[in-house]
Amino acid sequence: QQQVKQSPQSLIVQKGGISIINCAYENTAFDYFPWYQQFPGKGPALLIAIRPDVSEKKEGRFTISFNKSAKQFSLHIMDSQPGDSATYFCAASISGNTPLVFGKGTRLSVIA
Amino acid sequence: DAGVIQSPRHEVTEMGQEVTLRCKPISGHNSLFWYRQTMMRGLELLIYFNNNVPIDDSGMPEDRFSAKMPNASFSTLKIQPSEPRDSAVYFCASSSPRGSGRARETQYFGPGTRLLVL
Repeated sequence: QQQVKQSPQSLIVQKGGISIINCAYENTAFDYFPWYQQFPGKGPALLIAIRPDVSEKKEGRFTISFNKSAKQFSLHIMDSQPGDSATYFCAASISGNTPLVFGKGTRLSVIA
Repeated sequence: DAGVIQSPRHEVTEMGQEVTLRCKPISGHNSLFWYRQTMMRGLELLIYFNNNVPIDDSGMPEDRFSAKMPNASFSTLKIQPSEPRDSAVYFCASSSPRGSGRARETQYFGPGTRLLVL
């Protein structure tokens, strides 16, 4: 049972464009929704996270939109840059200190 | 802080051999996680410790896998005997409920151990 579904698998965006990655979850007990960024040969690193008491969180060019009723959340990367080219994972957990359930990942390529 | 430290970074072994992966969590973190990453299955939890005690090992594939956390600064994941299907990247992560802002509850990942079983 895949508890967190992520789409698309891959994404190509022009430099300066908006990258959008979507995730849906099933377990209503999830209370913490982070996005991780992973570069080749490196471990995942936290990009931004949200809890369901807010519908949106913005940090610089990165925004999470959260829809609790639809059990969906998404990552928006504004003004996408070539340096943003990486694999992005959405995840969910019951709290920040409990195991994360990851989506399958989205490979983002930002082309000039 | 040096972050989460894992060793070895790469391991190539033959089927049937014992493999031991090591992890040093961030000082002061009381939760430690072992995840495995493969192309087919993505990132999956293997086992999770809290205050050095195993809390959830439901992700451990089978009895060939075992994990220990003898103290707050060290954990091992052992595979015996290893099989080609164990080839993957194994990540250790740690977190703490304390701290403030972004650091609180964030799981910090190590660089991973790339295991190849021939």
